[in-house]
Amino acid sequence: DTAVSQTPKYLVTQMGNDKSIKCEQNLGHDTMYWYKQDSKKFLKIMFSYNNKELIINETVPNRFSPKSPDKAHLNLHINSLELGDSAVYFCASSQRSGATEAFFGQGTRLTVV
Amino acid sequence: AQTVTQSQPEMSVQEAETVTLSCTYDTSENNYYLFWYKQPPSRQMILVIRQEAYKQQNATENRFSVNFQKAAKSFSLKISDSQLGDTAMYFCALLTEGGSEKLVFGKGTKLTVNP
Repeated sequence: DTAVSQTPKYLVTQMGNDKSIKCEQNLGHDTMYWYKQDSKKFLKIMFSYNNKELIINETVPNRFSPKSPDKAHLNLHINSLELGDSAVYFCASSQRSGATEAFFGQGTRLTVV
Repeated sequence: AQTVTQSQPEMSVQEAETVTLSCTYDTSENNYYLFWYKQPPSRQMILVIRQEAYKQQNATENRFSVNFQKAAKSFSLKISDSQLGDTAMYFCALLTEGGSEKLVFGKGTKLTVNP
């Protein structure tokens, strides 16, 4: 069973479109994250949710809106896509207490054309 | 603010040899955790090893071990008996307790194991 799964794995779309990436974890973790990996492989956190509550929002344009319907899911919706949004987006989860390591999904490669 | 620095953008090693990847970090927190993640061409982020800052003993996982120097804020990864499957990007990461609990990553080191 996949612990953290994201869909889709690949997404190609035109500028100006709206798209969503879904993430689910079956580890029973309290905290979920979205990270962005740019073309130079640099990983930077975008959002963090703990028990459906937003706890980190790292200066991300408000075109990006995370939604957590329950603590096992954290979806990322992106409005009015721009060329600069092209990147790999990773979902991750962790157990907040004890600061354990984060488990990552397989990533979604978003290409905006 | 927390920062993680990996000063080696690329490294290469011959199969069966040993290689050490460098990482330095900065934080004002006393309680924190350090990690090495591996990202092979498949893109999956895989945890290699973790170290709790309060532990003096260096963590070891099979062929992977760390040299944790808390005073110097250094956290290097040693890979022994390198294998072709070790070819990947390696990321050093820092997680602090008590503040915003997010992983801060270094820029990565691309390791190539040559046959």
